[in-house]
Amino acid sequence: EAQVTQNPRYLITVTGKKLTVTCSQNMNHEYMSWYRQDPGLGLRQIYYSMNVEVTDKGDVPEGYKVSRKEKRNFPLILESPSPNQTSLYFCASSWSEGQPQHFGDGTRLSIL
Amino acid sequence: QKEVEQDPGPLSVPEGAIVSLNCTYSNSAFQYFMWYRQYSRKGPELLMYTYSSGNKEDGRFTAQVDKSSKYISLFIRDSQPSDSATYLCAIPDSNYQLIWGAGTKLIIKP
Repeated sequence: EAQVTQNPRYLITVTGKKLTVTCSQNMNHEYMSWYRQDPGLGLRQIYYSMNVEVTDKGDVPEGYKVSRKEKRNFPLILESPSPNQTSLYFCASSWSEGQPQHFGDGTRLSIL
Repeated sequence: QKEVEQDPGPLSVPEGAIVSLNCTYSNSAFQYFMWYRQYSRKGPELLMYTYSSGNKEDGRFTAQVDKSSKYISLFIRDSQPSDSATYLCAIPDSNYQLIWGAGTKLIIKP
């Protein structure tokens, strides 16, 4: 089954404690992306990757890092999380940029 | 002005009604248009993907594009309670990154 898998689905943590949200896709997609979704603001892109070792900033990259060492994986790293990063995060993938994206089921992060 | 505008709703209609969901956009160069559906506690899933002006139909769903007015619509016929979800429009920009509407929450009352 074609899918994008995110882990964890839920996480409550404290300010400053580094965390990583993993994302893996099994569709051999070139393009992967991270979004955050906040009430009233919709989906905002954090980072995206057009291929292995190629990443670029989206609209709201501050406080986040990503890496793309393998085609299937695109982890999101919060090195020093702060409460304003409390949000619902989605990973997505597609064959190329501009194409319809497949989404994971989301990771709800709460930073206390 | 945002590049893609969408009324957040909620929009509440009785079962069986025809639903009209809309987005407006500002850049006349946009060429491709997508509609996604997002159920609670799930990721968005692609519903419709259109390129040109006019209508595209898929079962009970019809996507309509009016490039002269920079206006796109999603119609749902014979709406069902299972259609209750948030509907998002998405449009690739000139850099091929998707610009998203804020989403319209739709509630179908049995």
